[in-house]
Amino acid sequence: EPEVTQTPSHQVTQMGQEVILRCVPISNHLYFYWYRQILGQKVEFLVSFYNNEISEKSEIFDDQFSVERPDGSNFTLKIRSTKLEDSAMYFCASSVTGEAFFGQGTRLTVV
Amino acid sequence: AQRVTQPEKLLSVFKGAPVELKCNYSYSGSPELFWYVQYSRQRLQLLLRHISRESIKGFTADLNKGETSFHLKKPFAQEEDSAMYYCALSPLYGQNFVFGPGTRLSVLP
Repeated sequence: EPEVTQTPSHQVTQMGQEVILRCVPISNHLYFYWYRQILGQKVEFLVSFYNNEISEKSEIFDDQFSVERPDGSNFTLKIRSTKLEDSAMYFCASSVTGEAFFGQGTRLTVV
Repeated sequence: AQRVTQPEKLLSVFKGAPVELKCNYSYSGSPELFWYVQYSRQRLQLLLRHISRESIKGFTADLNKGETSFHLKKPFAQEEDSAMYYCALSPLYGQNFVFGPGTRLSVLP
């Protein structure tokens, strides 16, 4: 069964460093998303991506964040200068319409 | 504003007992409502969506537009139902989900 895969499963980075979180969505899906979940809190929408551009983004998704689909298969989330409060579980998801399929998540720890 | 509330952070029931996980939403239009489940150390996975009106793993959920609720029910809980349950709202065709805070269901033997 096809699934969304994310790498790495855990990333530790120093404050101020850039990180790139990678996702391989399901191959025939058209919509791509990033969500995050700070420990003990709810899952929060960051951004959606369709037709090679951002279709919607939340207030969390500020200038420090960017997304890219560099090669037609990967979907990346870049955080330019990480802050301690960026520590969270980051989930990638993809969909055609309706059900969104989630990856297993990348745990980002900023120290 | 779009919002999903789940009033119970933790719900504990005994095996075989009925279970109801509450979900209320606020949205000005006609959203799609979903229940996602996250078993221990696993990814979020879809359990139910209101438009399909299916029963999955014995769970059902009815959308009540008057009460803006989408409560999840199961008549006889099983231990393997223990997990985090998230109610989610999508304003458009399953995009841009707004998640509730989640309810941890613990089914005791």
